Amino acid sequence: NAGVTQTPKFRILKIGQSMTLQCTQDMNHNYMYWYRQDPGMGLKLIYYSVGAGITDKGEVPNGYNVSRSTTEDFPLRLELAAPSQTSVYFCASRRSTQGPSGNTIYFGEGSWLTVV
Amino acid sequence: GQQLNQSPQSMFIQEGEDVSMNCTSSSIFNTWLWYKQDPGEGPVLLIALYKAGELTSNGRLTAQFGITRKDSFLNISASIPSDVGIYFCAGVIQGAQKLVFGQGTRLTINP
Repeated sequence: NAGVTQTPKFRILKIGQSMTLQCTQDMNHNYMYWYRQDPGMGLKLIYYSVGAGITDKGEVPNGYNVSRSTTEDFPLRLELAAPSQTSVYFCASRRSTQGPSGNTIYFGEGSWLTVV
Repeated sequence: GQQLNQSPQSMFIQEGEDVSMNCTSSSIFNTWLWYKQDPGEGPVLLIALYKAGELTSNGRLTAQFGITRKDSFLNISASIPSDVGIYFCAGVIQGAQKLVFGQGTRLTINP
Protein backbone atom coordinates (compact mmCIF):
# COMPACT_ATOMS: atom_id res chain seq x y z
CA ASN A 1 0.00 0.00 0.00
CA ALA A 2 1.67 3.21 -1.20
CA GLY A 3 -0.50 5.76 0.65
CA VAL A 4 1.04 9.24 0.43
CA THR A 5 4.33 9.41 -1.46
CA GLN A 6 6.66 12.42 -1.41
CA THR A 7 9.77 13.10 -3.44
CA PRO A 8 12.56 13.99 -3.05
CA LYS A 9 13.44 12.80 0.44
CA PHE A 10 16.39 15.18 0.75
CA ARG A 11 17.42 18.26 -1.23
CA ILE A 12 19.92 21.08 -0.88
CA LEU A 13 19.10 24.30 -2.71
CA LYS A 14 21.05 27.50 -3.23
CA ILE A 15 19.40 30.80 -2.38
CA GLY A 16 17.25 31.94 -5.28
CA GLN A 17 16.87 28.51 -6.88
CA SER A 18 13.47 27.01 -7.59
CA MET A 19 12.21 23.51 -7.06
CA THR A 20 9.05 21.43 -6.80
CA LEU A 21 8.24 18.94 -4.09
CA GLN A 22 6.10 16.18 -5.50
CA CYS A 23 3.25 14.53 -3.62
CA THR A 24 0.93 11.82 -4.80
CA GLN A 25 -1.66 9.68 -3.05
CA ASP A 26 -3.38 6.54 -4.27
CA MET A 27 -6.30 6.53 -1.82
CA ASN A 28 -8.62 8.72 -3.93
CA HIS A 29 -8.65 11.30 -1.14
CA ASN A 30 -10.31 14.64 -1.80
CA TYR A 31 -8.27 16.72 0.60
CA MET A 32 -4.55 17.22 0.40
CA TYR A 33 -2.25 19.36 2.51
CA TRP A 34 1.29 20.67 2.69
CA TYR A 35 2.83 21.29 6.10
CA ARG A 36 6.26 22.45 7.14
CA GLN A 37 7.93 21.51 10.38
CA ASP A 38 10.84 23.53 11.71
CA PRO A 39 13.26 21.90 14.17
CA GLY A 40 11.62 21.19 17.52
CA MET A 41 8.33 22.69 16.39
CA GLY A 42 4.89 21.53 15.41
CA LEU A 43 3.42 21.44 11.92
CA LYS A 44 2.30 24.59 10.15
CA LEU A 45 -0.10 24.47 7.22
CA ILE A 46 1.26 26.00 4.00
CA TYR A 47 -1.48 25.25 1.46
CA TYR A 48 -4.33 22.84 1.14
CA SER A 49 -6.73 21.58 -1.51
CA VAL A 50 -10.25 20.24 -1.20
CA GLY A 51 -10.30 18.72 -4.67
CA ALA A 52 -8.87 18.90 -8.16
CA GLY A 53 -8.67 22.50 -9.35
CA ILE A 54 -9.22 24.00 -5.88
CA THR A 55 -6.47 25.26 -3.60
CA ASP A 56 -6.31 27.64 -0.65
CA LYS A 57 -3.73 29.23 1.61
CA GLY A 58 -2.87 27.95 5.05
CA GLU A 59 -1.00 29.69 7.86
CA VAL A 60 2.36 30.21 6.10
CA PRO A 61 1.84 30.39 2.30
CA ASN A 62 4.37 33.09 1.43
CA GLY A 63 7.13 31.89 -0.90
CA TYR A 64 5.19 28.83 -2.05
CA ASN A 65 2.75 27.90 -4.77
CA VAL A 66 0.63 24.83 -5.37
CA SER A 67 -1.56 23.31 -8.04
CA ARG A 68 -4.03 20.45 -8.05
CA SER A 69 -4.67 19.33 -11.62
CA THR A 70 -5.58 15.77 -10.59
CA THR A 71 -7.02 14.11 -7.49
CA GLU A 72 -3.79 12.17 -6.97
CA ASP A 73 -1.14 14.89 -7.22
CA PHE A 74 -0.48 18.02 -5.18
CA PRO A 75 2.96 19.50 -5.97
CA LEU A 76 4.46 22.31 -3.86
CA ARG A 77 6.66 24.82 -5.65
CA LEU A 78 9.32 27.08 -4.16
CA GLU A 79 10.06 29.85 -6.63
CA LEU A 80 12.98 31.74 -5.05
CA ALA A 81 14.40 29.64 -2.24
CA ALA A 82 15.38 31.47 0.94
CA PRO A 83 17.21 30.19 4.05
CA SER A 84 13.97 30.65 6.02
CA GLN A 85 12.49 27.85 3.92
CA THR A 86 14.93 25.32 5.35
CA SER A 87 12.56 22.86 6.94
CA VAL A 88 10.97 19.45 6.73
CA TYR A 89 7.95 19.36 4.46
CA PHE A 90 5.10 16.92 4.87
CA CYS A 91 2.35 16.19 2.42
CA ALA A 92 -0.87 14.71 3.78
CA SER A 93 -4.30 13.65 2.61
CA ARG A 94 -7.71 12.66 3.89
CA ARG A 95 -10.91 11.44 2.31
CA SER A 96 -13.52 14.08 3.13
CA THR A 97 -15.49 15.57 5.97
CA GLN A 98 -18.32 13.08 5.43
CA GLY A 99 -18.31 10.49 8.19
CA PRO A 100 -15.90 10.13 11.10
CA SER A 101 -13.25 8.09 9.30
CA GLY A 102 -12.99 10.77 6.64
CA ASN A 103 -11.31 13.04 9.16
CA THR A 104 -8.30 10.77 9.55
CA ILE A 105 -5.30 12.36 7.87
CA TYR A 106 -2.38 10.36 6.48
CA PHE A 107 1.13 11.74 6.11
CA GLY A 108 3.95 11.17 3.70
CA GLU A 109 7.42 10.43 5.03
CA GLY A 110 8.68 13.98 4.66
CA SER A 111 11.08 15.94 2.48
CA TRP A 112 14.13 17.49 4.14
CA LEU A 113 15.02 20.74 2.42
CA THR A 114 18.09 22.86 3.15
CA VAL A 115 18.61 26.27 1.54
CA VAL A 116 22.18 27.56 1.64
CA GLY B 1 -6.21 31.16 13.84
CA GLN B 2 -7.44 28.39 16.08
CA GLN B 3 -5.01 27.26 18.74
CA LEU B 4 -4.43 23.91 20.31
CA ASN B 5 -2.53 24.02 23.57
CA GLN B 6 -0.64 20.81 24.18
CA SER B 7 1.08 20.03 27.45
CA PRO B 8 3.53 19.25 28.68
CA GLN B 9 6.03 20.36 26.05
CA SER B 10 8.53 17.74 27.20
CA MET B 11 8.70 14.85 29.62
CA PHE B 12 11.64 12.98 31.08
CA ILE B 13 10.59 9.73 32.71
CA GLN B 14 11.95 6.38 33.83
CA GLU B 15 11.21 3.25 31.87
CA GLY B 16 8.07 1.59 33.19
CA GLU B 17 6.38 4.81 34.28
CA ASP B 18 2.99 5.89 33.00
CA VAL B 19 2.71 9.02 30.83
CA SER B 20 -0.12 11.48 30.44
CA MET B 21 -0.42 14.42 28.06
CA ASN B 22 -3.34 16.56 26.96
CA CYS B 23 -4.59 19.12 24.51
CA THR B 24 -7.09 21.89 25.09
CA SER B 25 -8.71 24.51 22.91
CA SER B 26 -11.30 27.23 23.00
CA SER B 27 -12.87 25.75 19.84
CA ILE B 28 -15.19 22.77 19.55
CA PHE B 29 -13.79 19.77 17.66
CA ASN B 30 -15.57 16.88 16.00
CA THR B 31 -12.45 14.77 15.68
CA TRP B 32 -9.32 14.36 17.79
CA LEU B 33 -6.26 12.55 16.47
CA TRP B 34 -3.09 11.56 18.24
CA TYR B 35 0.15 11.10 16.27
CA LYS B 36 3.67 9.96 17.12
CA GLN B 37 6.68 11.20 15.21
CA ASP B 38 10.01 9.42 15.39
CA PRO B 39 13.22 11.28 14.45
CA GLY B 40 13.53 11.63 10.70
CA GLU B 41 10.06 10.27 10.03
CA GLY B 42 6.60 11.61 9.32
CA PRO B 43 3.81 11.56 11.92
CA VAL B 44 2.08 8.22 12.34
CA LEU B 45 -1.52 7.99 13.50
CA LEU B 46 -1.92 6.33 16.91
CA ILE B 47 -5.54 6.86 17.88
CA ALA B 48 -8.54 8.58 16.29
CA LEU B 49 -11.52 9.81 18.34
CA TYR B 50 -14.83 10.83 16.80
CA LYS B 51 -17.38 11.26 19.60
CA ALA B 52 -17.46 13.29 22.79
CA GLY B 53 -16.67 11.06 25.75
CA GLU B 54 -15.16 8.35 23.56
CA LEU B 55 -12.38 6.37 25.21
CA THR B 56 -10.20 4.33 22.86
CA SER B 57 -7.20 2.11 23.47
CA ASN B 58 -4.41 0.95 21.22
CA GLY B 59 -2.21 -1.46 23.17
CA ARG B 60 -0.67 0.49 26.03
CA LEU B 61 -2.08 3.75 24.71
CA THR B 62 -5.42 5.16 25.78
CA ALA B 63 -6.98 8.39 24.56
CA GLN B 64 -10.21 10.17 25.37
CA PHE B 65 -12.33 12.75 23.58
CA GLY B 66 -13.32 15.28 26.22
CA ILE B 67 -17.00 15.62 27.03
CA THR B 68 -16.91 19.37 26.27
CA ARG B 69 -15.37 18.57 22.83
CA LYS B 70 -12.63 21.08 23.58
CA ASP B 71 -10.00 18.74 24.96
CA SER B 72 -8.41 15.32 24.71
CA PHE B 73 -5.81 13.34 26.60
CA LEU B 74 -3.40 10.53 25.77
CA ASN B 75 -2.06 8.09 28.34
CA ILE B 76 0.78 5.64 27.85
CA SER B 77 1.09 2.90 30.44
CA ALA B 78 4.29 1.11 31.44
CA SER B 79 6.53 3.09 29.08
CA ILE B 80 9.26 1.33 27.12
CA PRO B 81 12.26 2.75 25.24
CA SER B 82 10.53 2.65 21.85
CA ASP B 83 7.91 5.10 23.15
CA VAL B 84 10.50 7.86 22.80
CA GLY B 85 9.47 10.48 20.27
CA ILE B 86 7.26 13.48 19.79
CA TYR B 87 3.52 13.10 20.30
CA PHE B 88 1.13 15.47 18.56
CA CYS B 89 -2.53 16.01 19.10
CA ALA B 90 -4.57 17.25 16.16
CA GLY B 91 -8.15 18.27 15.85
CA VAL B 92 -10.70 18.91 13.15
CA ILE B 93 -12.89 21.85 14.04
CA GLN B 94 -16.55 21.19 13.40
CA GLY B 95 -17.40 22.06 9.78
CA ALA B 96 -13.81 23.01 8.93
CA GLN B 97 -11.54 21.51 6.29
CA LYS B 98 -8.24 22.04 8.07
CA LEU B 99 -6.49 19.98 10.68
CA VAL B 100 -5.06 21.98 13.59
CA PHE B 101 -2.00 20.62 15.40
CA GLY B 102 -0.75 20.98 18.94
CA GLN B 103 2.85 22.00 19.54
CA GLY B 104 3.91 18.47 20.44
CA THR B 105 5.12 16.67 23.58
CA ARG B 106 8.69 15.38 23.42
CA LEU B 107 9.00 12.17 25.45
CA THR B 108 12.40 11.04 26.71
CA ILE B 109 12.81 7.79 28.63
CA ASN B 110 15.69 6.99 30.92
CA PRO B 111 16.42 3.27 31.02
